[in-house]
Amino acid sequence: EDKVVQSPLSLVVHEGDTVTLNCSYEVTNFRSLLWYKQEKKAPTFLFMLTSSGIEKKSGRLSSILDKKELFSILNITATQTGDSAVYLCAVDNTGFQKLVFGTGTRLLVSP
Amino acid sequence: DARVTQTPRHKVTEMGQEVTMRCQPILGHNTVFWYRQTMMQGLELLAYFRNRAPLDDSGMPKDRFSAEMPDATLATLKIQPSEPRDSAVYFCASGLVSPPTSGGYNEQFFGPGTRLTVL
Repeated sequence: EDKVVQSPLSLVVHEGDTVTLNCSYEVTNFRSLLWYKQEKKAPTFLFMLTSSGIEKKSGRLSSILDKKELFSILNITATQTGDSAVYLCAVDNTGFQKLVFGTGTRLLVSP
Repeated sequence: DARVTQTPRHKVTEMGQEVTMRCQPILGHNTVFWYRQTMMQGLELLAYFRNRAPLDDSGMPKDRFSAEMPDATLATLKIQPSEPRDSAVYFCASGLVSPPTSGGYNEQFFGPGTRLTVL
């Protein structure tokens, strides 16, 4: 059975800290790995990764994939209270966006 | 501002009742996904449609759940009869998906969800 595991389950940091969120996966047919941010409502897309070792970056967020070791990390530097959310990792194992999600990491950034 | 809409946003019902959730995908999108999110299981794919045809509903309990797309502007998810364990947030998402060989990524846009409570 395809599986996506995220760690830690939850995390509390102070504003300005740097955090690293982890995602490991076991799927039969890997196509891509995606990161989403979920605040109070619906998940919103952050990154999609398909190739190992190529960092994707958007402002203070960055992510990288290791297809040999089957994991990805999401880094957030200089965290702000607005970064507080659940971060979801998902793997597409079909190429048609049939996504398998992890249970998420709940991040709380305190002022 | 194109977005996925879902109704109702909240639903409280009693065990045994029928529940129908509706989704209007973004115009022009060819794929619609139904997800369920709970604290214990996280976000799970229930079913998805491409060009209104059901492609995969293996994540859905077949005995009580059904998903349809009567036209390009409406997707429905029904539970009959509902049970307390169905309490969750149900998300619809839509996207414009092309075959993997064509390259590029087409984002899934999520609706605001229907929060279902079955007593």
